[in-house]
Amino acid sequence: DTGVSQDPRHKITKRGQNVTFRCDPISEHNRLYWYRQTLGQGPEFLTYFQNEAQLEKSRLLSDRFSAERPKGSFSTLEIQRTEQGDSAMYLCASREESGDYGELFFGEGSRLTVL
Amino acid sequence: KNQVEQSPQSLIILEGKNCTLQCNYTVSPFSNLRWYKQDTGRGPVSLTIMTFSENTKSNGRYTATLDADTKQSSLHITASQLSDSASYICVVSARMDSSYKLIFGSGTRLLVRP
Repeated sequence: DTGVSQDPRHKITKRGQNVTFRCDPISEHNRLYWYRQTLGQGPEFLTYFQNEAQLEKSRLLSDRFSAERPKGSFSTLEIQRTEQGDSAMYLCASREESGDYGELFFGEGSRLTVL
Repeated sequence: KNQVEQSPQSLIILEGKNCTLQCNYTVSPFSNLRWYKQDTGRGPVSLTIMTFSENTKSNGRYTATLDADTKQSSLHITASQLSDSASYICVVSARMDSSYKLIFGSGTRLLVRP
C-alpha cells in the first residue's frame, strides 16, 4: 500500500468554474477525512466519512461544497462555482476505526488556486 | 472554547542546535495530543501521540512532553538537521458527545540553517 493518495496535486482554475478532487485512502481504513489548509494555518476540518456514510460536516462546508464516498473506498470533494477564497490546500486523511487513538495518515494534498 | 495555541510562530536555528516548541491548549475533555511534521507543500506526518497518562514520548531525535494539569506540551528537537526545516503542528483530540474532534494549532515554522 502506498498510503493516502490525492489527485490532482495542483489545480488552477478561473473563478466560477467547478473543480473535483479525489482521495484514495489506505485500503483497510474505513474512516476518511477532508481538511482545508491555508498558508500559515493548521488544517481545518471539513467533513468525514465512516465507510460510505458522511457522519459530520463542518459549517465551513458551504452549499457549494459536496463530498462523496460512494462505495466506502475512494472519496471525491467537489467545489462548485469556485471563489478566490476557496484557494487553499485540500488535505485528505484516513484511519482505522480504533477509537480515538489511531494514527491519522494524511495525503500530500491538492492545492487549489482560483484566479 | 476549544483552542490550541503554539509558540513561537516561527523559529530559526543553526544546524546541530537543539530547540523546543510549545503548545498550550484549552481543549476539554482531553483525549490525546499529537505532534505532526509538515514539510512545505506536503501533507502532515505523525511524530507522536500521547494520552492523558503519558508525559513523555520519543521518536528518534524528537521528544514530546505533556503536562495534562497545566495543559501544556512541548516538542524538543535534538541535534537539529537541515531536514528538520518544516512546520510542526500540535493537535489535541477532544471527546465530543459520541465522537472525537481534532483541534489543530496553527503550527510553528522551523528553519534550520547550515
